[in-house]
Amino acid sequence: GENVEQHPSTLSVQEGDSAVIKCTYSDSASNYFPWYKQELGKRPQLIIDIRSNVGEKKDQRIAVTLNKTAKHFSLHITETQPEDSAVYFCAASNINTGNQFYFGTGTSLTVIP
Amino acid sequence: DTEVTQTPKHLVMGMTNKKSLKCEQHMGHRAMYWYKQKAKKPPELMFVYSYEKLSINESVPSRFSPECPNSSLLNLHLHALQPEDSALYLCASSQGGRTDRNQPQHFGDGTRLSIL
Repeated sequence: GENVEQHPSTLSVQEGDSAVIKCTYSDSASNYFPWYKQELGKRPQLIIDIRSNVGEKKDQRIAVTLNKTAKHFSLHITETQPEDSAVYFCAASNINTGNQFYFGTGTSLTVIP
Repeated sequence: DTEVTQTPKHLVMGMTNKKSLKCEQHMGHRAMYWYKQKAKKPPELMFVYSYEKLSINESVPSRFSPECPNSSLLNLHLHALQPEDSALYLCASSQGGRTDRNQPQHFGDGTRLSIL
């Protein structure tokens, strides 16, 4: 089955700096990679996703890159703000296993004002 | 603006009680999911329903019993739970069904369950 590893587990950055979270996956058939943000006591919210037919996707301050050959993908947050503080989860899935998501272990991001 | 609605938000129950968690979505999604989440851990998949049929059961103990009465509703019936079952229970939905592309899952706010 699929195994998704996520690093780092905790990350602290100064407000305005960039944050990068990295995930690796094991199943070369995985072709869909969403990222979720979960604030304390709230639901996971989809913030960006990428499919295997593209290498990069950007949405304002958030971008995701995918390297299919190396089987890793990364979340980039630029100009971080205190409201970016949350736990971020990456996930991988492929059509062969239905829409089952395999989540990474999470990164707790703290943006220091 | 949560499109997946879960009730109740909080539930405290004893180990001998029977209770149910409810989930509702009106996005026309045909796949619905139950997850269990412990603090600062990723969601753990419990059950998946596709077109109102149970398609995945991740070896969940029988004290958890899912039910999908129709395409908009998903229930999780609880009986004789253990203290270690205390967690946040999340429902999610996705377009699902006969599509050639994986779809994002949309989560509800969850039910925070405490077992005494």
